[in-house]
Amino acid sequence: DSGVTQTPKHLITATGQRVTLRCSPRSGDLSVYWYQQSLDQGLQFLIQYYNGEERAKGNILERFSAQQFPDLHSELNLSSLELGDSALYFCASSVAPLGGPYNEQFFGPGTRLTVL
Amino acid sequence: QKEVEQDPGPLSVPEGAIVSLNCTYSNSAFQYFMWYRQYSRKGPELLMYTYSSGNKEDGRFTAQVDKSSKYISLFIRDSQPSDSATYLCAMYSGGGADGLTFGKGTHLIIQP
Repeated sequence: DSGVTQTPKHLITATGQRVTLRCSPRSGDLSVYWYQQSLDQGLQFLIQYYNGEERAKGNILERFSAQQFPDLHSELNLSSLELGDSALYFCASSVAPLGGPYNEQFFGPGTRLTVL
Repeated sequence: QKEVEQDPGPLSVPEGAIVSLNCTYSNSAFQYFMWYRQYSRKGPELLMYTYSSGNKEDGRFTAQVDKSSKYISLFIRDSQPSDSATYLCAMYSGGGADGLTFGKGTHLIIQP
């Protein structure tokens, strides 16, 4: 158990809908990352937050957004869902943000999103 | 061409064999190199972390980085059935705010 929690474990929804994925980082970790894992693209970095502020953006679509709250939990919002958004979504946390020496990222168990 | 290339496998070897897993990359700015292990239906967990070129050993695992060839390897000695998993290489530059860049992962099967 990494100490990172994600809810829900599974989510099934229809095209065009909007969903929210939730992540609670390990105790003491200030940085949260979101990743998308699909069979064809592999594990791709979406976005990073550090202590409530957006720190870096990766391959995140404009239909997707995220935020980190004062209690440090984070939410990833996916809207106007398409079939191709079906994937595993992982949250990871670390003590400090990337930049300089590596700070280990601890991954949560993921949320499996199925868009029908 | 993707930034990080990794053979997806599956790679099937008998128990006790030495396993070699590899990744190549194109971005010369990468300085930090990691190997993650991912069991089915679980999140990735860090196995090894190496900075710049060189070797690093931890128990049965050895990570090698050759920056001149843009090639990294993970060796597993005395492989066990419990090593069966997907192994993902990951890297980042360290120069700014960015996330990890992952290979697609190699599915490894250790036959008892």
